[in-house]
Amino acid sequence: SAVISQKPSRDICQRGTSLTIQCQVDSQVTMMFWYRQQPGQSLTLIATANQGSEATYESGFVIDKFPISRPNLTFSTLTVSNMSPEDSSIYLCSVLKGVGYEQYFGPGTRLTVT
Amino acid sequence: AQTVTQSQPEMSVQEAETVTLSCTYDTSENNYYLFWYKQPPSRQMILVIRQEAYKQQNATENRFSVNFQKAAKSFSLKISDSQLGDTAMYFCAFMTTNSGYALNFGKGTSLLVTP
Repeated sequence: SAVISQKPSRDICQRGTSLTIQCQVDSQVTMMFWYRQQPGQSLTLIATANQGSEATYESGFVIDKFPISRPNLTFSTLTVSNMSPEDSSIYLCSVLKGVGYEQYFGPGTRLTVT
Repeated sequence: AQTVTQSQPEMSVQEAETVTLSCTYDTSENNYYLFWYKQPPSRQMILVIRQEAYKQQNATENRFSVNFQKAAKSFSLKISDSQLGDTAMYFCAFMTTNSGYALNFGKGTSLLVTP
């Protein structure tokens, strides 16, 4: 398995500002993912973050709004830019690990935009 | 595109009883992986069990087991001897190596275990 931490655990932000979420893993992993979970909903993939290359974004998510960095094999950041109340969600990072392609998740960041 | 359907938005079960959560999926792939995740109120996503599509034998993890029916594209989760700590949202998820290893989740089933 993997131990994953996220910072901050929660935040309340004003419309128009940006927030950077950090994800730290206790071991080196090739693939990291960022998901969004809107209130009462399931998880939706935002992007895949691979070290040494640009993130791959899913339909409906763009780099200008959700820039991602992946400077090494244990760390990634997701920025939510120019926030609006519709961005209020839980943001989760996950890592791919294990022979069975298991994904392990961080504890999530609960973002509220006012 | 792959879709994952969980047709039971909410379920409840009494402590010590057995409950089965349903999941169906649609794919044209032959090699894929299926997962059940648990999300308690703490919101931490916890991997419960996984199944490789090429394996005929159903996966089991202690009180959790699956009924994998590949032809029917069905992947149900059985929880035996339910405990109060099993109260959570349960998400069924699908993954293929051809789609970048990302998880495609169902909408979830909210399970309440009552005393």
